[in-house]
Amino acid sequence: DVKVTQSSRYLVKRTGEKVFLECVQDMDHENMFWYRQDPGLGLRLIYFSYDVKMKEKGDIPEGYSVSREKKERFSLILESASTNQTSMYLCASSLARGGLAGGIIDIQYFGAGTRLSVL
Amino acid sequence: AQSVTQPDIHITVSEGASLELRCNYSYGATPYLFWYVQSPGQGLQLLLKYFSGDTLVQGIKGFEAEFKRSQSSFNLRKPSVHWSDAAEYFCAVVPLITGGGNKLTFGTGTQLKVEL
Repeated sequence: DVKVTQSSRYLVKRTGEKVFLECVQDMDHENMFWYRQDPGLGLRLIYFSYDVKMKEKGDIPEGYSVSREKKERFSLILESASTNQTSMYLCASSLARGGLAGGIIDIQYFGAGTRLSVL
Repeated sequence: AQSVTQPDIHITVSEGASLELRCNYSYGATPYLFWYVQSPGQGLQLLLKYFSGDTLVQGIKGFEAEFKRSQSSFNLRKPSVHWSDAAEYFCAVVPLITGGGNKLTFGTGTQLKVEL
């Protein structure tokens, strides 16, 4: 079975702190994604990556950055956390290449989520 | 604008009753279509998907969904709901265009409550 692991289930941080959310997948997937989930808004894509060191902005990238130094790991970084970044963050991965080349659509597998509170 | 709409924010059904959750999309061409479920405190799990072919697709946990091109809909159904089906359900699409990549666009979700 595919496993997508997010390092923390719950996280409490202070305004202005630099925050790292880590995600690891064990199925050699090319694509990895970060979403945030808010009540009434569903899931919104923050950033995604279709290869090591490659990244593309999603729908709401402001205030976030990402890092993908290894294929299995995709980190979401809040450079200076703010209270409006309090949310549930979900990581996902999928097998097929995405991006401008398009390609075969494959299923995204999700981690259990990290609930971040910024005080 | 391209979008996915789940018009029902909350639905309550009695255990054993049938269920239909609505999903409509607004895209120029038929996208790839998915239904995911999120149990409390958990990540999302894929219930079923539609890429092409038979418009009635079967998924896990006894769920099915029917793609209707004329209505731009992909409604999720279950003939008899179990208390364990209480969860939040998300419809999602991937546009069928080059450059759509593998990016999912989600609806806002429908919260299902099951009364015993």
